[in-house]
Amino acid sequence: GDSVTQMEGPVTLSEEAFLTINCTYTATGYPSLFWYVQYPGEGLQLLLKATKADDKGSNKGFEATYRKETTSFHLEKGSVQVSDSAVYFCALSIGGSNYKLTFGKGTLLTVNP
Amino acid sequence: KAGVTQTPRYLIKTRGQQVTLSCSPISGHRSVSWYQQTPGQGLQFLFEYFSETQRNKGNFPGRFSGRQFSNSRSEMNVSTLELGDSALYLCASSLAGPGAEAFFGQGTRLTVV
Repeated sequence: GDSVTQMEGPVTLSEEAFLTINCTYTATGYPSLFWYVQYPGEGLQLLLKATKADDKGSNKGFEATYRKETTSFHLEKGSVQVSDSAVYFCALSIGGSNYKLTFGKGTLLTVNP
Repeated sequence: KAGVTQTPRYLIKTRGQQVTLSCSPISGHRSVSWYQQTPGQGLQFLFEYFSETQRNKGNFPGRFSGRQFSNSRSEMNVSTLELGDSALYLCASSLAGPGAEAFFGQGTRLTVV
């Protein structure tokens, strides 16, 4: 079946540090890939997405590139802020008539001033 | 436009009772999905409805059920509650299709005592 594996947290960084959260996937079809973010007490918000190989999704300084050859979609940010502290989820969906997201376990990021 | 609205935000129920959660999707979205989020299992897909039909179902027991109305609003029901059903239940709506973004509500926090 489809699955997503992302690095376990927690990850603790100082403000302005570089962030990488690794994500790899296994899929039966050709997936679309997503990064969602969850702030404390909130639901999930889409951070960025990519729908085909070599696409780069970007938003709010975060980037991730769809790498089909390594089945990966690693999240990066050059300079994190305290406000980036949240849980980050990598997810995939397979195109078709049914809509279902398969999520990784989530990575808790804490950024200290 | 209004986001996804879930009611109630918090619920406390006793083992053996049943509970109904409600989700109002974004206007125009006909696909509604439900997810269970727990610290141990992470985010798990429950089911997805489109135009009042269940199109996809996750690996949960029959105590978990749902429905969708003609206005796309959805409800999920859990009967004979168990302590392990304590979780954050998230609803997401989307236009569906490959690469479609899922918009999440803030969730209903269910505690079973």
